[in-house]
Amino acid sequence: IQLTQSPSSLSASVGDRVTITCRASQDMGTSLAWYQQKPGEPPKLLIYAVSSLQSRVPSRFSGSGSGTDFSLTISSLHPEDFATYYCQQVDPYPPRFTFGPGTKVDIK
Amino acid sequence: EVQLVQSGAEVKKPGDSLKISCKAFGYSFSKYWIGWVRQKPGKGLEWMGIIYPGDSDTRYSPSFEGQVTISADTSTNTAYVQWSSLKASDTAMYYCAKSWQMGTVNNFDIWGQGTRVTVS
Repeated sequence: IQLTQSPSSLSASVGDRVTITCRASQDMGTSLAWYQQKPGEPPKLLIYAVSSLQSRVPSRFSGSGSGTDFSLTISSLHPEDFATYYCQQVDPYPPRFTFGPGTKVDIK
Repeated sequence: EVQLVQSGAEVKKPGDSLKISCKAFGYSFSKYWIGWVRQKPGKGLEWMGIIYPGDSDTRYSPSFEGQVTISADTSTNTAYVQWSSLKASDTAMYYCAKSWQMGTVNNFDIWGQGTRVTVS
């Protein structure tokens, strides 16, 4: 499976609603996750199983989608949300993990 | 607290061997798949492989098969990735991460802090 993300980067302001899209070359099932990575830090799991919010992740983050098209939405951008976001798909049999190329969100 | 603590930064020469580690705390190490992810400077995330410490079942990304060896020691709750002959192109940050669901290959909920490897 190949993953593409759009846009590859975006500039936004605090308070903006932001949506990032992840598209797969074939049906991804329900194993789609989203990660946030800030410079110098490891990735952080935000959303797993398409739409489940990871513990202690703010509710302004949400995930949706099915089949080959998925999205991550930040309902109101906070200053700490400026980062790079990656989608990830998992095939359990045989184990295969695929990451999207990333979307960088920076300050307008 | 569930955490993964990785070994420190390494500076090596081409052709050197290397083994880096990832020690697990706060959960049943043998029951969760643990993976390795490479990130080259300024680039995205690449999955290298994954191991189930309980029985050492190990699977590799085709891109990394034969290039690295992943292992785990349940007596010390530590996972490893090793290289027999490093190349300059192995220069990167390496992360370990655990699957969030016991016994299943799944998304990674806990990540180590990363080990920077420089080959020059």
